[in-house]
Amino acid sequence: AQRVTQPEKLLSVFKGAPVELKCNYSYSGSPELFWYVQYSRQRLQLLLRHISRESIKGFTADLNKGETSFHLKKPFAQEEDSAMYYCALGYGSNYKLTFGKGTLLTVNP
Amino acid sequence: GAVVSQHPSWVICKSGTSVKIECRSLDFQATTMFWYRQFPKQSLMLMATSNEGSKATYEQGVEKDKFLINHASLTLSTLTVTSAHPEDSSFYICSAKAAGAADTQYFGPGTRLTVL
Repeated sequence: AQRVTQPEKLLSVFKGAPVELKCNYSYSGSPELFWYVQYSRQRLQLLLRHISRESIKGFTADLNKGETSFHLKKPFAQEEDSAMYYCALGYGSNYKLTFGKGTLLTVNP
Repeated sequence: GAVVSQHPSWVICKSGTSVKIECRSLDFQATTMFWYRQFPKQSLMLMATSNEGSKATYEQGVEKDKFLINHASLTLSTLTVTSAHPEDSSFYICSAKAAGAADTQYFGPGTRLTVL
């Protein structure tokens, strides 16, 4: 069975500091990894997907199959980055999603 | 674009009653919709996958007779919690996937269900 692990429930950094949100996965097939973000009082929205290899809002994430990781990084955190971040693994023909438990990022001024 | 709505946003009901939650894709046709459940301070757990015009596929451990899912059109899926009990109180979230957008799910705002 597939599993997504986000080891940090809470992460607090200062504005301008680098941030890394960790995500590890377990899946026997070829993984499709995503990062979703949920800002306060808003719905869950897609931040980025590994297959696109893009940078969104300054965030990047690289799939490391050897370490089964998909860590989310940003070199200079901003206060507006404060949110709940979920790592998710897509599987099956319908691209069902298995979510990690989420990391609440707080960026302090 | 790609907006998903849910109705109601919150509902309180008595134990033993049934509650219906609607999920609509407002500006696209959703061939597949998903229903999730989220307990306080926990992650989203997939309950079931529904494809338009066919029976829903439930995840292991989810009672299909208790959580009835109907996906009768390309823009509407409903989740009915039958004979609700206090332990069914939770945050229910739907997502929808457009035809041709294989891997992108658009999420609704969620429905808070409280069973007294």
